[in-house]
Amino acid sequence: DSGVTQTPKHLITATGQRVTLRCSPRSGDLSVYWYQQSLDQGLQFLIQYYNGEERAKGNILERFSAQQFPDLHSELNLSSLELGDSALYFCASSVGLQGYEQYFGPGTRLTVT
Amino acid sequence: DAKTTQPPSMDCAEGRAANLPCNHSTISGNEYVYWYRQIHSQGPQYIIHGLKNNETNEMASLIITEDRKSSTLILPHATLRDTAVYYCIVRVAHTNAGKSTFGDGTTLTVKP
Repeated sequence: DSGVTQTPKHLITATGQRVTLRCSPRSGDLSVYWYQQSLDQGLQFLIQYYNGEERAKGNILERFSAQQFPDLHSELNLSSLELGDSALYFCASSVGLQGYEQYFGPGTRLTVT
Repeated sequence: DAKTTQPPSMDCAEGRAANLPCNHSTISGNEYVYWYRQIHSQGPQYIIHGLKNNETNEMASLIITEDRKSSTLILPHATLRDTAVYYCIVRVAHTNAGKSTFGDGTTLTVKP
């Protein structure tokens, strides 16, 4: 158990819908990272927040957005969902900005039908 | 960040040492080598990292060549639970961790 929690574990929704994935980092960790893992693209970095501020962006679509709240939990919002958005979404956390050791949550499996 | 090359798959007998190689010939002086692993659809798990000296922790040992162009992750006594995809990542030490690129990794299969 990494100490990072993600909800929900599974999510099934239809194309065009919007969903919110939630992540609670390990106690004391200030950085939160979101990753997408699909079968054909491997693990792709989406975005990082550090102490409430966005600090790095990866291959995140404009239909996706995220935020980190004062209690340091984070939410990833996915809108206008397409079939290709079906994937595992992982959240990770680390103590600092550099993230020498990132601790990953169990992931949310999103299925878009 | 430097690119890494890993073999796509490897087998290892249970109880034997698993040696996973990683080539990072374009590594810069301030780039660390990190290893993570991912057991079937679970979240990746941090294993170890190093700059130039060999490192050891309770999970594994990391051997980095003197020219730093390659490294080897050693699992001293592999068990069936070590079957996973192992990712070698090279990243500048003080830049933002978010942009780590995981690549395709090596699928290690530990056999009884």
